[in-house]
Amino acid sequence: SQQGEEDPQALSIQEGENATMNCSYKTSINNLQWYRQNSGRGLVHLILIRSNEREKHSGRLRVTLDTSKKSSSLLITASRAADTASYFCATDPVGGSTLGRLYFGRGTQLTVWP
Amino acid sequence: SQTIHQWPATLVQPVGSPLSLECTVEGTSNPNLYWYRQAAGRGLQLLFYSIGIDQISSEVPQNLSASRPQDRQFILSSKKLLLSDSGFYLCAWSQRGGISYEQYFGPGTRLTVT
Repeated sequence: SQQGEEDPQALSIQEGENATMNCSYKTSINNLQWYRQNSGRGLVHLILIRSNEREKHSGRLRVTLDTSKKSSSLLITASRAADTASYFCATDPVGGSTLGRLYFGRGTQLTVWP
Repeated sequence: SQTIHQWPATLVQPVGSPLSLECTVEGTSNPNLYWYRQAAGRGLQLLFYSIGIDQISSEVPQNLSASRPQDRQFILSSKKLLLSDSGFYLCAWSQRGGISYEQYFGPGTRLTVT
């Protein structure tokens, strides 16, 4: 399977703490993307990191990519209750068609307690 | 700016009844379009994708079908619903011919088959 797999499946932390989620994948990729889904809503694109990048920041989000280990991590710093959501990684595999097919993992459910 | 609409937001249908879910995109042309299904607490399963009018590819065999009668309209249908068709259906689009294929999701349709 080309799907990414997130770890842990669920994460529960207090406001102000940092949240780290990991994603592993199996094939070479062009890029890896992270999405967020609030309960009962559609997914929202958060950040994209290309295969030639190692780290990327966007506000309180920090994404790293290690292509030798085929893994990525998403760090949310100083978490807030509003960060409570499911987070998915998605991979764009090398050799994939121009159809833009992404392979989504099953997600990490993050709960941030006030 | 681009927007994506899905309707209805929720639907309760008896087994054996037909289904029609609609998705439309505004503010872009020639998008790639996708239908996903998400079971409770699970990841996304790609059902169909389309690169153009009447150009539909199916990922998994099932009793669902998709059509794209217009460039920015994507319809998911079934002639006879099964209990297993219950789930959260998401439509998404990405830019055709882009360098990276970020996907943009609609708000989803919650389908319950009774």
